[in-house]
Amino acid sequence: GESVGLHLPTLSVQEGDNSIINCASNSASDYFIWYKQESGKGPQFIIDIRSNMDKRQGQRVTVLLNKTVKHLSLQIAATQPGDSAVYFCAENTGPSGSARQLTFGSGTQLTVLP
Amino acid sequence: EAGVVQSPRYKIIEKKQPVAFWCNPISGHNTLYWYLQNLGQGPELLIRYENEEAVDDSQLPKDRFSAERLKGVDSTLKIQPAELGDSAVYLCASSSQGTAQYFGPGTRLTVL
Repeated sequence: GESVGLHLPTLSVQEGDNSIINCASNSASDYFIWYKQESGKGPQFIIDIRSNMDKRQGQRVTVLLNKTVKHLSLQIAATQPGDSAVYFCAENTGPSGSARQLTFGSGTQLTVLP
Repeated sequence: EAGVVQSPRYKIIEKKQPVAFWCNPISGHNTLYWYLQNLGQGPELLIRYENEEAVDDSQLPKDRFSAERLKGVDSTLKIQPAELGDSAVYLCASSSQGTAQYFGPGTRLTVL
């Protein structure tokens, strides 16, 4: 079965606030990745992180990895209407060092309120 | 740089009919993936190619699904015959050594 799961299926935030999307993993994966999927489109790569890191930042996004409690989160700063989408976390369930075998969680629907 | 291209974007067929999907990966990406995505769920891998070789097809229902990537670039995924339960979005993705997987827009299949 899947080892990647999400705590909440939906999340609503006010425009301008920060969003935090959580994900739990039961495996000892060495690689995690976040995708954003808007309605009618394919998943769009946001940011990834390897297990030798605990934080990685992109443009308005930060991914945090706590391997001790096996918890992954995506933080979006100053959330905008265009951030409304389903967010998937995925992890490498193949050989270490490879990102070719990803297992996806079921996603969190983020809705940005005006 | 062009992204992953898929066609058609939408397909409606009656059950028991055949259907085919086409994918053109990002230039230079030697790894190509076909995923199935049901409504409200994450993508599930059907088959992965390294160049023209299918290296992971364990989740591909081989009684009705087939795929090919003859020249190691474009790929087609076929279903014959289609069943009602095949209605879903079929996603193609590609990657290269050291890169993440990049997805195409998908083909939404409706089987009536």
